[in-house]
Amino acid sequence: ILNVEQSPQSLHVQEGDSTNFTCSFPSSNFYALHWYRWETAKSPEALFVMTLNGDEKKKGRISATLNTKEGYSYLYIKGSQPEDSATYLCAFISDSNYQLIWGAGTKLIIKP
Amino acid sequence: DAGITQSPRYKITETGRQVTLMCHQTWSHSYMFWYRQDLGHGLRLIYYSAAADITDKGEVPDGYVVSRSKTENFPLTLESATRSQTSVYFCASSEQRARYGYTFGSGTRLTVV
Repeated sequence: ILNVEQSPQSLHVQEGDSTNFTCSFPSSNFYALHWYRWETAKSPEALFVMTLNGDEKKKGRISATLNTKEGYSYLYIKGSQPEDSATYLCAFISDSNYQLIWGAGTKLIIKP
Repeated sequence: DAGITQSPRYKITETGRQVTLMCHQTWSHSYMFWYRQDLGHGLRLIYYSAAADITDKGEVPDGYVVSRSKTENFPLTLESATRSQTSVYFCASSEQRARYGYTFGSGTRLTVV
C-alpha cells in the first residue's frame, strides 16, 4: 500500500512569519507530485505539479522543492498572510497506475 | 463562463432513492474524476474517465454509476442511496491524468436520511 504522509497535521503561524511543511512519499516508482491549497468551504486549487528530482517551483510567496530519491517535498510560505490560511494537500503519483494518492493535509492557521 | 460546475450544491435524499450529481466542464479536458470527501478519510476517488465513453473504477466505486457520453459532462448516479453515502462530492477535470493539476468543482453536499 502506497503511503503519503504530511507533517505537521496542523500549524499555527503568526502573520508575517515564514513557514514550511513536509510531504513524504515512496521513493520508488515516482511519476509526479501535486500540491493543492484547500480553503474552508471552497474546493482544492492546484498550486504545483512537480515531476523532476530537484525541481523547485514558485508562485508568489509560496514555493516548493522536490527530492524524489529520498521521497519528500517541502512547501514554503514566506511572510504568511491571513489569506494563506487553508489546508495544503499533496498527492503522489506512481508510474505503476498514475492515480493520485492523497496525503491527509497540513492545516495552516495564520494568527493576525 | 469557463470552468467546472457541479449541481446541485446541496441535496437531501431518502435511503433507497436514486440520485444523480451533475458535473460539467467547458475546457474540453480529457480526464474527469469524481471524489468523495469524508472526515478522517480525505479525498477518495470513486470513478474517473479518460475520454468520452471511457470510464474506470477508483478506490470506492461500489454503489455508484457513471457515464460519459459527451466530453464535457460526467454525471455520477447513486443507484439506491444509503446513509454511508452521505458526503461531499467533488468533480474534477484535467488535461492529462497526472502531469497537470486537477481543477475541482465547488462540490455537492449530499445527505441521505
